[in-house]
Amino acid sequence: DAGITQSPRHKVTETGTPVTLRCHQTENHRYMYWYRQDPGHGLRLIHYSYGVKDTDKGEVSDGYSVSRSKTEDFLLTLESATSSQTSVYFCAISGTQETQYFGPGTRLLVL
Amino acid sequence: LAKTTQPISMDSYEGQEVNITCSHNNIATNDYITWYQQFPSQGPRFIIQGYKTKVTNEVASLFIPADRKSSTLSLPRVSLSDTAVYYCLVGDRPFSGGYNKLIFGAGTRLAVHP
Repeated sequence: DAGITQSPRHKVTETGTPVTLRCHQTENHRYMYWYRQDPGHGLRLIHYSYGVKDTDKGEVSDGYSVSRSKTEDFLLTLESATSSQTSVYFCAISGTQETQYFGPGTRLLVL
Repeated sequence: LAKTTQPISMDSYEGQEVNITCSHNNIATNDYITWYQQFPSQGPRFIIQGYKTKVTNEVASLFIPADRKSSTLSLPRVSLSDTAVYYCLVGDRPFSGGYNKLIFGAGTRLAVHP
């Protein structure tokens, strides 16, 4: 399996609190992605990164921000968590000529 | 991006061959066809990718007809552990340096029975 880890793996938080999820890779891949997966919606792209400090929005980016200060780390931040952001979050990575490889996921519950 | 259509669910029995067909009528010239597998509580796992004709690896085969408007994922002799959701995706590879954009649909839920 590709060297991708996500932390935390599970988190419970309250509405209005900030939350940061971390994705770490050991593959030195250029591209990194954050998805959320909800019943009935499949996986939806939140943000992606095409290099250090280079990021862009996906299809469901409202309420989320990202940062990538190092090749190996891609952070997803919920500035003020809402119940609608309760979901399973997956990080993925890809090289320039490859398809994407996914991390184990983070289950987030916003109460 | 080309939209894909695949069955919502399928049932099979251990030892049988399973074929899951995906329709992608609007596939573009640069698009590749990729299949992922997802087990409960895990991230999607890449199975196979192809552009045309047939591709085979240690897990599955992918059949793509000449018009490329559909593709079939073939799983030989399935076991209980093949019970999962299978996603068919169509997208271009980032030859131009762009990112690898994938659109996931609802997938096909395969249930393998004893």
